[in-house]
Amino acid sequence: LAKTTQPISMDSYEGQEVNITCSHNNIATNDYITWYQQFPSQGPRFIIQGYKTKVTNEVASLFIPADRKSSTLSLPRVSLSDTAVYYCLVRGGGADGLTFGKGTHLIIQP
Amino acid sequence: ETGVTQTPRHLVMGMTNKKSLKCEQHLGHNAMYWYKQSAKKPLELMFVYNFKEQTENNSVPSRFSPECPNSSHLFLHLHTLQPEDSALYLCASSRTGQMKESPQHFGDGTRLSIL
Repeated sequence: LAKTTQPISMDSYEGQEVNITCSHNNIATNDYITWYQQFPSQGPRFIIQGYKTKVTNEVASLFIPADRKSSTLSLPRVSLSDTAVYYCLVRGGGADGLTFGKGTHLIIQP
Repeated sequence: ETGVTQTPRHLVMGMTNKKSLKCEQHLGHNAMYWYKQSAKKPLELMFVYNFKEQTENNSVPSRFSPECPNSSHLFLHLHTLQPEDSALYLCASSRTGQMKESPQHFGDGTRLSIL
């Protein structure tokens, strides 16, 4: 079971780019990396998923180095509404990787 | 709108009551999950169903009883709960439980308070 480590909290300001890095040193060959966002009293929302190199969608980018032992979620030009908890999960097959850690509490200030 | 609907959104019950939480997904997924999220704690996986079959029970007390009559519906039957069971209960679904590249879609949960 690949364990993930993220910063507990981060602060930034509106309009800035925010990068949140997740360490997963024992990631397995077939594992995918998935990031979720959660607001208070809501369920987590899928942001982005990747296996290697770089993935980009309309809300974020995910950078994965060649060794895949870490990944970085990049949020361009954040706003106050991006204040949330962000979770990194590494998932293989079955129930493996369905365990959410404490996530990173991102606080965006004006 | 996430495609996963949970009812009720809020529930207050006594320790001797029996109630049920309902989850319905409109995404055509075949795997469904129950999670518990206590205040300021990470999500805890409770149960996993894949094609209506329970594939994971994460050492959950028997006072929580899941039921999955079909791939679109999931229930959590509650009886004789304890105050420490007060939490946000989240349901999720994914295409299958075996596809590692299949992200989960979550409902907004049922906020449960045990008196």
